[in-house]
This record gives sequence, C-alpha cells and structure tokens, in this order.
Amino acid sequence: DTEVTQTPKHLVMGMTNKKSLKCEQHMGHRAMYWYKQKAKKPPELMFVYSYEKLSINESVPSRFSPECPNSSLLNLHLHALQPEDSALYLCASSQASSGNNYEQYFGPGTRLTVT
Amino acid sequence: AQSVTQLDSHVSVSEGTPVLLRCNYSSSYSPSLFWYVQHPNKGLQLLLKYTSAATLVKGINGFEAEFKKSETSFHLTKPSAHMSDAAEYFCVVRGSARQLTFGSGTQLTVLP
Repeated sequence: DTEVTQTPKHLVMGMTNKKSLKCEQHMGHRAMYWYKQKAKKPPELMFVYSYEKLSINESVPSRFSPECPNSSLLNLHLHALQPEDSALYLCASSQASSGNNYEQYFGPGTRLTVT
Repeated sequence: AQSVTQLDSHVSVSEGTPVLLRCNYSSSYSPSLFWYVQHPNKGLQLLLKYTSAATLVKGINGFEAEFKKSETSFHLTKPSAHMSDAAEYFCVVRGSARQLTFGSGTQLTVLP
C-alpha cells in the first residue's frame, strides 16, 4: 500500500478563518512533508518532519503552522491567510528524510482557495 | 548544490508514436533521480527512479529512462503514446541536500 490520503479535497476560506489540512499515511514512513504548488509550477517544499520532529521550515510565514501528532498523521493549520496563498497543498511521505534512495509518495492534494 | 533542467516546457505527440521528455541534471554527488507524473488536479505519482543500480530504469505504464552520467541526462521515453499519458511530467533530483529539487515540468499533449 503506497497511499497517502489528504482531507479535505477542496477548501474555501476567508482571510479571517482558521482551518486545518490533514494528511495520513500507513506505510510506516518516518518522514512527512508539506508542499505548496501554484498552477503550472512545480511543488515548493514548505516543511519536513522527521520522526515526528520538525526538521526543515523553508521560511514559511507563521500563518501556516504544521503539526505532527504521531508518525502517521500530519496537519497544517491555517490562519489569517492571504489570497496569494490559494494553491494546491500536497503532502508526501518517505521512509526517512536522510539518505539518497528514499522516494517520496504524494497524496492527491487539497485545493485551497482564499477569498 | 543540485539542479535539474527540463529542456521542453511542452511536448506534443500523436497517439501511438514515441514519447521523449528530456531532462538534464547537475549534482555534486551521485544523485538519485526520479520522474513523477501529475494529471490535472491530482497529486504526483512516481513513474520511476534511478538509484545507482542499472542505468536503464523501467517504470510504470511502459515508461523508461536512461541515466547517462557523461551527458548528465535522464531522459524519459515511451515507445507508444496513449491518450491517458497526457499530463505534466516532473524530473526530480535528490542529492546530498536530502531534499527533492524539481524541474520546471513538461506538459505532454497526446493528439488523437
């Protein structure tokens, strides 16, 4: 099973709302990732969790707050977003974050629209 | 440092003809290389990976890629395109930086 699931599929939120994106994997992977993808562009890395600890934060604004409650779950809490934050948010997982040979498996993404 | 260049932003082929998507990479270390495919409004699916074993890598859906160190290339090919192959394709390198570096993507159109 190489499935990463993400909920919700679509989310529309106002700039004053608070919402959360959820990602789940049951492959025993110990590294999980959040990416942001704008239309017609490649994904951009936002955060990396390794063994449930935040290991990389790619200078992401504080209105995005990641959380890794356990090794299977990854959340992204959203607050006071801007319209330019509208994008496809992708979650991925891999066996580990170090080493050269660990491919990442991606979820289907959450399409976020900020109004 | 590592980087990857996808030489064509758009490729158009007729159904049943060969597909060639070109990718050049730069890496200070022996890299791992991947091709991912993304259908509209979907996540990324791993097509194939090179991890310093065989230089010719076979993937899913009839795709394959050849790692050529002398040319720093990792081109993706398929003998016969199918309509369902129409999608965005990303060449990705993973080197000493641990994280993935994505190419800018190639949009493949398959004409009937």
